[in-house]
Amino acid sequence: AQTVTQSQPEMSVQEAETVTLSCTYDTSESDYYLFWYKQPPSRQMILVIRQEAYKQQNATENRFSVNFQKAAKSFSLKISDSQLGDAAMYFCAYKGYGNKLVFGAGTILRVKS
Amino acid sequence: NAGVMQNPRHLVRRRGQEARLRCSPMKGHSHVYWYRQLPEEGLKFMVYLQKENIIDESGMPKERFSAEFPKEGPSILRIQQVVRGDSAAYFCASSPLLEETQYFGPGTRLLVL
Repeated sequence: AQTVTQSQPEMSVQEAETVTLSCTYDTSESDYYLFWYKQPPSRQMILVIRQEAYKQQNATENRFSVNFQKAAKSFSLKISDSQLGDAAMYFCAYKGYGNKLVFGAGTILRVKS
Repeated sequence: NAGVMQNPRHLVRRRGQEARLRCSPMKGHSHVYWYRQLPEEGLKFMVYLQKENIIDESGMPKERFSAEFPKEGPSILRIQQVVRGDSAAYFCASSPLLEETQYFGPGTRLLVL
């Protein structure tokens, strides 16, 4: 079975600085998708970014980018120019052949002004 | 295009009662997924449905829980004879055919007294 590990329970970043959230996963599948979701205090799950495993190029969405290392099974999220609104719980998720998302335990991101 | 709708947003039940959670997918989405988030944890997959079919229910507890996605109307997650351990946030997500990204609703917070 696939597993997703987020080793950082909590991270802090100064406003306008850059922070990187870590995620590793374990799978024997060759085709899969990886996602980062954000869960603010409202508890709504918001898609931040996605990466297709067959693509070598790292995905970017404005201030959010990923470092996808397929051989190492690593999928970290970099947030540049951090803003107060980025404060949330961030979940890394894996989707393989089975359609369901497998989530990590989450990382709480705190942004200091 | 309205997002995924879930109701009620909050539900309080006493032990032994039934809980019915509803999910209306985004327009044009034929796939529905239910996830459960226990306090301080990540989301766990419960069930994946298409119209009138349960595709994968590997995450559903064997007893008291059931789900349906009828030809007409919302998807329903039903919990019979609720116990305190059922207290959690229940999220519904939807996706269109051949699309890997799942879009989440705001969740239903179930509290069992």
